[in-house]
Amino acid sequence: GAGVSQSPRYKVAKRGQDVALRCDPISGHVSLFWYQQALGQGPEFLTYFQNEAQLDKSGLPSDRFFAERPEGSVSTLKIQRTQQEDSAVYLCASSPSGLNQETQYFGPGTRLLVL
Amino acid sequence: AQSVTQPDIHITVSEGASLELRCNYSYGATPYLFWYVQSPGQGLQLLLKYFSGDTLVQGIKGFEAEFKRSQSSFNLRKPSVHWSDAAEYFCAVVGFGNEKLTFGTGTRLTIIP
Repeated sequence: GAGVSQSPRYKVAKRGQDVALRCDPISGHVSLFWYQQALGQGPEFLTYFQNEAQLDKSGLPSDRFFAERPEGSVSTLKIQRTQQEDSAVYLCASSPSGLNQETQYFGPGTRLLVL
Repeated sequence: AQSVTQPDIHITVSEGASLELRCNYSYGATPYLFWYVQSPGQGLQLLLKYFSGDTLVQGIKGFEAEFKRSQSSFNLRKPSVHWSDAAEYFCAVVGFGNEKLTFGTGTRLTIIP
């Protein structure tokens, strides 16, 4: 079956522009996660949804970052007034129910470059 | 707070040789532990995971890992590497009652002929 998909795969933005990154989780998966992966680093947690409820947003680096999942399936990560330090790969993952021993299935990521 | 240390940034191994990638974790209780592999331009793929039971865990692609509570370690091993194993490997932990993965900084594996 289809895995997690993300779009766009690559995004170049000028500093100060707003961007929106989309994640389509595996159908039926309750939980959805966003991670940020800087160059040469491991992924770092940004935020977590269970269905449409955002249960943890402790990893969002600033109030310029906003995520939503209004119908409990597709999610969008929005970054306002992008800065150069926002350049990274943004990974989305989903899991069937969000239990902590469950496998999280990752998408290919969106590589964001802010000039 | 939970954390993961992968002390080796880059490892080079000859094709056919054995491999061990190190992972140490910090967590107050028994954590759930994962190894993921990331090939260039690809998402993270789960190799194996441990959450209870037998401390030696078998995974995909011939990989295995051993959980050692006394050493707070979860090292990844493979008896004979193939050129296609060249990738970045990440160890990760989830604490009980938590959902988010905490990753190490990764180990880049290079395979030489």
